[in-house]
Formats: sequence, structure tokens, C-alpha cells
Amino acid sequence: DARVTQTPRHKVTEMGQEVTMRCQPILGHNTVFWYRQTMMQGLELLAYFRNRAPLDDSGMPKDRFSAEMPDATLATLKIQPSEPRDSAVYFCASGLNRGIPTYEQYFGPGTRLTVT
Amino acid sequence: EDQVTQSPEALRLQEGESSSLNCSYTVSGLRGLFWYRQDPGKGPEFLFTLYSAGEEKEKERLKATLTKKESFLHITAPKPEDSATYLCAVPLEANQAGTALIFGKGTTLSVSS
Repeated sequence: DARVTQTPRHKVTEMGQEVTMRCQPILGHNTVFWYRQTMMQGLELLAYFRNRAPLDDSGMPKDRFSAEMPDATLATLKIQPSEPRDSAVYFCASGLNRGIPTYEQYFGPGTRLTVT
Repeated sequence: EDQVTQSPEALRLQEGESSSLNCSYTVSGLRGLFWYRQDPGKGPEFLFTLYSAGEEKEKERLKATLTKKESFLHITAPKPEDSATYLCAVPLEANQAGTALIFGKGTTLSVSS
């Protein structure tokens, strides 16, 4: 049963600390997305990659957020320094771009981040 | 700027009471529309993709329809297990495969027995 996995599932940290979230996309998927979900804003795109190359990170505060794909099986999202307004659920999703209009994205269970 | 608006924000139904959820969007051209279901504490789960006005898709008690400016998710004779938040989304980029999505804020459906 292929699934997107995310670690950690929950993270509580103090303001100013570095936070790293990890995602393992579904094997064979070539597109990886990072979204953030809050009650006020809903689901918002932060960044996404295709074949490990970043395509769009305009949704991220670039002074504190960074997203990378060290290899095809791992995507990371880092926040440094973290702030209370970063508290949210962070979702990773993956999909397979086969060159035709198919947008099925499969979401992981999310990382619930609380910054105090 | 592309916008996706869902209504109502919340919907309470009795088991067996059919209803519809609405998703309207303002995008430059029809690029397809996607429905997801999200249960509390979980990630969104893919339900449907609709590409053309007039297209319909069904899954159990759910039927999604699409016009040029909006989509409806019809729920026929719902059961308590249909309780969830239903999200719709449109692609961020036109005519691109595997692109990111713009999500509406969702409709939270509660079905009581």
C-alpha cells in the first residue's frame, strides 16, 4: 500500500528554534508538494519540486523557510528561526507527472507544528 | 488572481437527507477541478478529477458535476461515515501536468443518525 510518509507527526518547539520536517514521497512519483493548513487560511502551497528541481517556492517566507530534495526519496522543509505564526499543519503530497493532464496528488498525514 | 470559493462552510444533515456542496472558481479558462475529502487529523484524500464542463463522476453516494464556473458535489442519502471536510481545488498553472493546486477552504459536513 503506497503512501506518503511524514515525520515527525507532531512537533512542539520554542520560538527561535530550527524545525525540520521530512517527507518520503510515493516511490516512482516525480512531483513533490509542500502545503500548509491553518484554520484561517486553509491549505496553501509553499513549494513544489519536479524531478527534484524546485519549480515554485513563492508561497514560502524565504528568509526563514527552505525546501530541498536531497534525493528522490526524501523531501525536507526547514524553518529557521521558527515563530509562533508558523504554527500549522504541514502536508507533503506527491504525484506522477506523465506528461498528460493528471493532477492526482496523494497527501501524507501531515506534521502538526506548534511554536510557543 | 485565481480564487476558489466553497459554500456552505458547514452543513449538518440527517442520515438519508440528500444535499449539495458548491465550489465556484474564477480562473482564466477551465483547467479542471478536483475534489478531496479530509477527515480530522488526516491528509486530504483524492476523490474526483473533472476536466470538462458537463462532466460528471460518481463514487458511492457522491456525484461531482462541473460547469464553466462552478462544481457541485451531490451527496445522496448520506450516512454518518460521510462526515468530513470536502475540499475542492483547481490547478495553479494552465495546461500543466502535475502542477500544484489552489484549494478552497472546504465545507465541513456532519451527518447524524
